[in-house]
Formats: sequence, C-alpha cells, structure tokens
Amino acid sequence: GAVVSQHPSRVICKSGTSVKIECRSLDFQATTMFWYRQFPKQSLMLMATSNEGSKATYEQGVEKDKFLINHASLTLSTLTVTSAHPEDSSFYICSARKAGGYNEQFFGPGTRLTVL
Amino acid sequence: AQSVAQPEDQVKVAEGNPLTVKCTYSVSGNPYLFWYVQYPNRGLQFLLKYITGDNLVKGSYGFEAEFNKSQTSFHLKKPSALVSDSALYFCAVPTSGGYQKVTFGTGTKLQVIP
Repeated sequence: GAVVSQHPSRVICKSGTSVKIECRSLDFQATTMFWYRQFPKQSLMLMATSNEGSKATYEQGVEKDKFLINHASLTLSTLTVTSAHPEDSSFYICSARKAGGYNEQFFGPGTRLTVL
Repeated sequence: AQSVAQPEDQVKVAEGNPLTVKCTYSVSGNPYLFWYVQYPNRGLQFLLKYITGDNLVKGSYGFEAEFNKSQTSFHLKKPSALVSDSALYFCAVPTSGGYQKVTFGTGTKLQVIP
C-alpha cells in the first residue's frame, strides 16, 4: 500500500504557457501533500505544503502566484506552474503523508518539466 | 532547528562488500529519523525509520540503520552490496510544525562496482 502517482511524468512546454501536474494517493487518504523541486545533483527543496480543503503553505522564497497549488480532495493535489519560463525547468516531486503521528512521506515518481 | 548531515557526497563499494552511508543528526527532543532512496529520474522510496525502541532498524531491500544516541548518528548499512543498490540516498528528520514537514540531508550517491 501507500502508492503515489504523478502525471505527467514528463512535459515540454513553450515559455509563457501554464502547466498542471497532478499528484494522487492511490490507496490511502492523504491529509497532507508536499511539493518539492529538485535540481540536478541536489537535494529536494520543499516548495509548499498542501492540506485538503485549505490554502497551501508556501516556503520562503516560493512565489505562490507562480506555483498554484490546489488540494481538492484527500487523494488529489495539483501544482500549476503559471507563465512558465526556462528557469522553471526542473524535476518536481510530490509526496503524501497519512494522517497521524510521525508517519513517513510517500513520494510520487516525479515530473520532469522542460520549458523551451 | 532539526537537521541532518550527510558528510559524504559519494560512496563507492565493491559488489558483495558491506556498505555504510553516514548520517548525523541534530534534534531537540526525541529523534525521529528516516532513510529514503532515489533511483535516477525517479521519486524517493522509503527505506526505514527510527521512532523509538531497538537501535537497529531493519528496512526494505535488506537495508538496516543503526541509531547511536551518543554519536548522534543514524548510519545506513547493508551487509552485502548489490549493483542495483547504486542510487542516491537521503536521510531525513521531521521539522517542527504541525504538518510534519521533513528536512532532507544533502544526499549521498552510492556506487556499487561490479
């Protein structure tokens, strides 16, 4: 159990367009989901924490109007990169956490975004 | 603030030999510690966690980790390395706050040489 999917796995878009990435917990309810960004050969950088039915909490330095997060249900969170630019090209990873205690996060397979 | 440190960017080990990936922690209160593995172009996979109890924690794929309070360490170990273990390994610790955010170490690239 505890499978998290992400869609799409890879996306290429033109500069100025918006891209939506979906994160789904397939076999459990995730009260909290997290969005990370990872640059080559670097650790994960937390962008925001998403809670079902409430506004996302963004980390310092992350533009909330640039990276729109919606957590519409206990199994789905979406990240929309608005007006994407080449510097937004990165590997985006979501994770989901089961409710209660110090439970581990379960990660999606990631989405490779390339902005031309 | 809660933090973990991975002192080695890269570890190389021959197939069949034991491997150790190091992690030290700095936390207030009881430590909760995690290890994750990341294969190329993939998300992270959970390996194991330490909450309380036995200092030796067994996890997935034959990995185990030893919690050492006096040395504030949580090293990941495996008795016999496989080429397929080659990947990026992260230790992690929950940060403060109600939503259980996690802080990751900088990662250690493990290369198992055939």
